[in-house]
Amino acid sequence: SAVISQKPSRDICQRGTSLTIQCQVDSQVTMMFWYRQQPGQSLTLIATANQGSEATYESGFVIDKFPISRPNLTFSTLTVSNMSPEDSSIYLCSTPGQGAIYNEQFFGPGTRLTVL
Amino acid sequence: GENVEQHPSTLSVQEGDSAVIKCTYSDSASNYFPWYKQELGKRPQLIIDIRSNVGEKKDQRIAVTLNKTAKHFSLHITETQPEDSAVYFCAATRMDSSYKLIFGSGTRLLVRP
Repeated sequence: SAVISQKPSRDICQRGTSLTIQCQVDSQVTMMFWYRQQPGQSLTLIATANQGSEATYESGFVIDKFPISRPNLTFSTLTVSNMSPEDSSIYLCSTPGQGAIYNEQFFGPGTRLTVL
Repeated sequence: GENVEQHPSTLSVQEGDSAVIKCTYSDSASNYFPWYKQELGKRPQLIIDIRSNVGEKKDQRIAVTLNKTAKHFSLHITETQPEDSAVYFCAATRMDSSYKLIFGSGTRLLVRP
């Protein structure tokens, strides 16, 4: 299993500013993902955070808006840039862990972002 | 890319009755299908999963069935209890390549006491 923590747990930000969300895993993992969950909606994959290389973004998400860092195998950050009220969501990181059994994907507790 | 559709969006059942949630997927290469339960304000938690080489899996009151030919899978909850009330998400992924979870739109289950 993997234990994941995120910082901050929540924040209220002004439009036009940026927020960086941190994701820490308690063990080294190959894959880390970032998801967005808009109010009352499902989870949408933003990108795959690749260690040592640029993140791989899903359709509709771009690096300028959601820059991602992955400096090592236990840590990643997601920045929400130039925020607007439409960015108000819960942002979650996840990983399938590491080892012989790639089953359960573990999620962090999420960062609840409100943009005014 | 993969697309997952989930029905119904809301489901209300009487305590003790069964609940069934259905999902369809588009990518025939998907081979792993988890179901997550999300309670209000909490992270999604895996409740059951199934791989493409299995047709059915059961864990106490929860079961999942998979029809690869039709590309659909279902969650079955028997003897529902009020604590089963939550939002349930199905998902699909390729466990041998991308591992990216593509989620359905979610089902809000309400179990009436």
